[in-house]
Amino acid sequence: AQKVTQAQTEISVVEKEDVTLDCVYETRDTTYYLFWYKQPPSGELVFLIRRNSFDEQNEISGRYSWNFQKSTSSFNFTITASQVVDSAVYFCALIVTGNMLTFGGGTRLMVKP
Amino acid sequence: GAGVSQSPSNKVTEKGKDVELRCDPISGHTALYWYRQSLGQGLEFLIYFQGNSAPDKSGLPSDRFSAERTGGSVSTLTIQRTQQEDSAVYLCASSVRGRGTEAFFGQGTRLTVV
Repeated sequence: AQKVTQAQTEISVVEKEDVTLDCVYETRDTTYYLFWYKQPPSGELVFLIRRNSFDEQNEISGRYSWNFQKSTSSFNFTITASQVVDSAVYFCALIVTGNMLTFGGGTRLMVKP
Repeated sequence: GAGVSQSPSNKVTEKGKDVELRCDPISGHTALYWYRQSLGQGLEFLIYFQGNSAPDKSGLPSDRFSAERTGGSVSTLTIQRTQQEDSAVYLCASSVRGRGTEAFFGQGTRLTVV
């Protein structure tokens, strides 16, 4: 069975600080997909990124960057120069078979002005 | 519509009553999912529909929960004889056909059982 662990339940930073959200996954399959979703206070889950298991290239999108390391089964998410609008719950998720997402427990990020 | 639409956005019901939650997926999306998010908790998988295949019901917590998807589009999640522990936000998502494609979520239905 697959599993996603987000060890940090809550992180608090001051605006403009960099912050990294950790995600560790478990699966025996060699083909899988990893995702990050953002859940702002409004409640709707917003898709951020998708990565397949054969592509270990790191990705940068504006202030967001993702570090995928198969050797440590990790898919960490870094926000550079955080802003108050980044405050949300962030979920890491995994698809192994079909399209069913297995989510981590989420990390609540609070960015203070 | 452009996104996944869920109704109602909020529902308060008395313990023991039945409720129906509706989900309109994005047009053309063949996969549809229901998840449940209890207060301060993560996302719990409930059920998954993919095209005309038999749904994956492995996440339904009890036989009081059921879901249908009519015409490969709209889905209804039904909870019979509601209990207080059913109180949660019920999230629906859809995705296009294909393994590993990203799912797009609706805004959820907040169910409160009193």
